[in-house]
Amino acid sequence: LAKTTQPISMDSYEGQEVNITCSHNNIATNDYITWYQQFPSQGPRFIIQGYKTKVTNEVASLFIPADRKSSTLSLPRVSLSDTAVYYCLVGLLASKLTFGTGTRLQVTL
Amino acid sequence: NAGVTQTPKFQVLKTGQSMTLQCAQDMNHEYMSWYRQDPGMGLRLIHYSVGAGITDQGEVPNGYNVSRSTTEDFPLRLLSAAPSQTSVYFCASSLQGFVSPLHFGNGTRLTVT
Repeated sequence: LAKTTQPISMDSYEGQEVNITCSHNNIATNDYITWYQQFPSQGPRFIIQGYKTKVTNEVASLFIPADRKSSTLSLPRVSLSDTAVYYCLVGLLASKLTFGTGTRLQVTL
Repeated sequence: NAGVTQTPKFQVLKTGQSMTLQCAQDMNHEYMSWYRQDPGMGLRLIHYSVGAGITDQGEVPNGYNVSRSTTEDFPLRLLSAAPSQTSVYFCASSLQGFVSPLHFGNGTRLTVT
């Protein structure tokens, strides 16, 4: 299984850009990288997914270097409502599916 | 649009008791999966299904059974609960396996005493 490592927590002020990195040294050739956001007492919610280079949607960007051994979720101009736990997920097949341990983001004024 | 619905939200069991966690989705997704979430750990896959009548084991299947008789429902059964099964359980569905976004329910918090 691809071991995934994330920082336990991060703090940010409202309006700043936040970058959360996930390390996945053993990523397999066919594995995708997906990021989820989770609020207390809720299930994780899909944010963004990528395979290589850069992916951008209306809420975030995902940067994946050429060796794919890490990925960075970028949240532009965070607000208080972005306070949550963020998980990276690496894998394609059930036998290789690995969630990171999550990064708790705290946004303050 | 309900999405993925899990019941119950909370459950307390005594060691050795059995129970079924319910999961239903209304998005006509073929893939469904169960996870457990423990403090300090990411979600871990218990069982999954690629369609009605087909199930398979994930990373931590011991102590759990599943069946998939319809596209909509994917119940998770604990045959003889153990304190090590105290956790938060999430069900998810997706269109094309793990390469497509997983839609999660809001979880069942289970305590085994």
